[in-house]
Amino acid sequence: GESVGLHLPTLSVQEGDNSIINCAYSNSASDYFIWYKQESGKGPQFIIDIRSNMDKRQGQRVTVLLNKTVKHLSLQIAATQPGDSAVYFCAETLTSGGYQKVTFGIGTKLQVIP
Amino acid sequence: NAGVTQTPKFQVLKTGQSMTLQCAQDMNHNSMYWYRQDPGMGLRLIYYSASEGTTDKGEVPNGYNVSRLNKREFSLRLESAAPSQTSVYFCASRTGTGGNTEAFFGQGTRLTVV
Repeated sequence: GESVGLHLPTLSVQEGDNSIINCAYSNSASDYFIWYKQESGKGPQFIIDIRSNMDKRQGQRVTVLLNKTVKHLSLQIAATQPGDSAVYFCAETLTSGGYQKVTFGIGTKLQVIP
Repeated sequence: NAGVTQTPKFQVLKTGQSMTLQCAQDMNHNSMYWYRQDPGMGLRLIYYSASEGTTDKGEVPNGYNVSRLNKREFSLRLESAAPSQTSVYFCASRTGTGGNTEAFFGQGTRLTVV
């Protein structure tokens, strides 16, 4: 299953399938991009980040891809599980004067169908 | 290891009342933040404290004040609550050094102003 950034806020996938959550960012000067997961009733939780000079980074069952040409970021979750059901936020950071400004997107809700 | 602790978890205020949201972190982080989260708006930064002794406005500071009481604690005060301040409030902290982007969030405070 695949979402198209901020205009399709809900993504439903079958358990075991791969999920792709997309995000369009705004500032070409951003130096890091981050994905957070927020479960219902909880605060956001860091998943993975990627530096702006990279185009791919892998974690445990997750891969983040960065395409700076079109200012696009994606989070791929392999073998999606019910515990992956949550809202996923992308964020971009800009470091200036020693301070890292973080701007969050509005999020995509991932629903895993058992 | 408690991480970031926010109190209270829920609060109902009448218009014009004041209250202080408390936040404490036990990770020796330099930077602390207050965000509000509204449906369809993502997380918006209210105020931040890059290090102990400093505070700065974020995107939506109007109607709020903050105090960085010490390295551990960062409080958010609403002097005269308005219905527009009905939201879920999150406190977060980061090391604030180097390229470490990971922020740790509290569980949130759900505030309703009637």
